[in-house]
Amino acid sequence: DTGVSQNPRHKITKRGQNVTFRCDPISEHNRLYWYRQTLGQGPEFLTYFQNEAQLEKSRLLSDRFSAERPKGSFSTLEIQRTEQGDSAMYLCASSSSELGQETQYFGPGTRLLVL
Amino acid sequence: AQSVTQLGSHVSVSEGALVLLRCNYSSSVPPYLFWYVQYPNQGLQLLLKYTTGATLVKGINGFEAEFKKSETSFHLTKPSAHMSDAAEYFCAVSGSARQLTFGSGTQLTVLP
Repeated sequence: DTGVSQNPRHKITKRGQNVTFRCDPISEHNRLYWYRQTLGQGPEFLTYFQNEAQLEKSRLLSDRFSAERPKGSFSTLEIQRTEQGDSAMYLCASSSSELGQETQYFGPGTRLLVL
Repeated sequence: AQSVTQLGSHVSVSEGALVLLRCNYSSSVPPYLFWYVQYPNQGLQLLLKYTTGATLVKGINGFEAEFKKSETSFHLTKPSAHMSDAAEYFCAVSGSARQLTFGSGTQLTVLP
């Protein structure tokens, strides 16, 4: 169990550019979550996958955001036409539905700065 | 719908003193409750969780929390603070939804 990993750890981009983040969950976990955390706040839910199916999306997830989990393993989160308000820490978490009430395990996050 | 309120965005204690971080929740269904800790520029680490059963839950690093349904509270305590406990602490609830709803966090400072 190597834990949840996220890449890159830091990303600086200019407004209007597209960015993509990757999350590799714990290998036996079938559920994967994305959260966004702004400075001084708790994480806010963005979206959730069970295997490859995206089952829920927050209204925070505008049409500029898209997430995929094509083979039910790693996931990507893409932000198109970035805005300064997208600057935040993007956290990924994974859990297993087969272990009863699941606990979500978090990765180290990707910190995005939009200039 | 579910929500979490953490009272006190900043708490300072002396090393060796009691740590008490407050969390109140609302949930339309029996909640599952969590405390996570976050060190600077890192992800969240689970301290402890309440699902069902015993209302006093013990976690890592000497922390514990008690679920009080009548008070809708899940306060986090540690008898004796250590310098390494300085971090941000988040209380979270999950209920009918899979996702966690977090409080806004409490920054704990431990004074020598």
